[in-house]
Amino acid sequence: SQELEQSPQSLIVQEGKNLTINCTSSKTLYGLYWYKQKYGEGLIFLMMLQKGGEEKSHEKITAKLDEKKQQSSLHITASQPSHAGIYLCGADREGGSEKLVFGKGTKLTVNP
Amino acid sequence: DTGVSQDPRHKITKRGQNVTFRCDPISEHNRLYWYRQTLGQGPEFLTYFQNEAQLEKSRLLSDRFSAERPKGSFSTLEIQRTEQGDSAMYLCASRSLYASQETQYFGPGTRLLVL
Repeated sequence: SQELEQSPQSLIVQEGKNLTINCTSSKTLYGLYWYKQKYGEGLIFLMMLQKGGEEKSHEKITAKLDEKKQQSSLHITASQPSHAGIYLCGADREGGSEKLVFGKGTKLTVNP
Repeated sequence: DTGVSQDPRHKITKRGQNVTFRCDPISEHNRLYWYRQTLGQGPEFLTYFQNEAQLEKSRLLSDRFSAERPKGSFSTLEIQRTEQGDSAMYLCASRSLYASQETQYFGPGTRLLVL
């Protein structure tokens, strides 16, 4: 069973629209990572969150971790076709573990 | 600045054959990880090394799988007597023990197809 739930599973948006992807855990997350994956390729690191309430931004992508450290969201503003891909959240659920557990991913399609 | 590299990028083999994959981590990264990803799923942890020592192995890593990192630099993952269920993307990642942020950086993966 997947230990991290991502929603939605897939998302199709028109270029220029904003969107949000969610990642939820039933247990506290000690480190939450967002990665992007193009089909058939490796994972590209986007952002890492550790503290409850933490928020980070890079270009048009903002990631937040809630105060309880059980849910994270990834928000893309004014989406572009280059944002298309699979977004994966991964987390350390044991505190200090080297093992990351991942959600199943959210497939994003951005139509021009 | 070179990232994590993996070789080969694709491998097609017949059931029962042995295969070996190589991973070259980012220079000076002393931790190296192997994950497996099947279609429609997120990566699943297999094992990790700190320098040449293999410190953790997942239950997913059956007796047919063996990983090595003999000199603490590159690593190999060998699968013996491959089965169709071994078909997956095998991802390698590395990170620095001393980095302020504990981020694992991934390679492009090796896609294995067992016929």
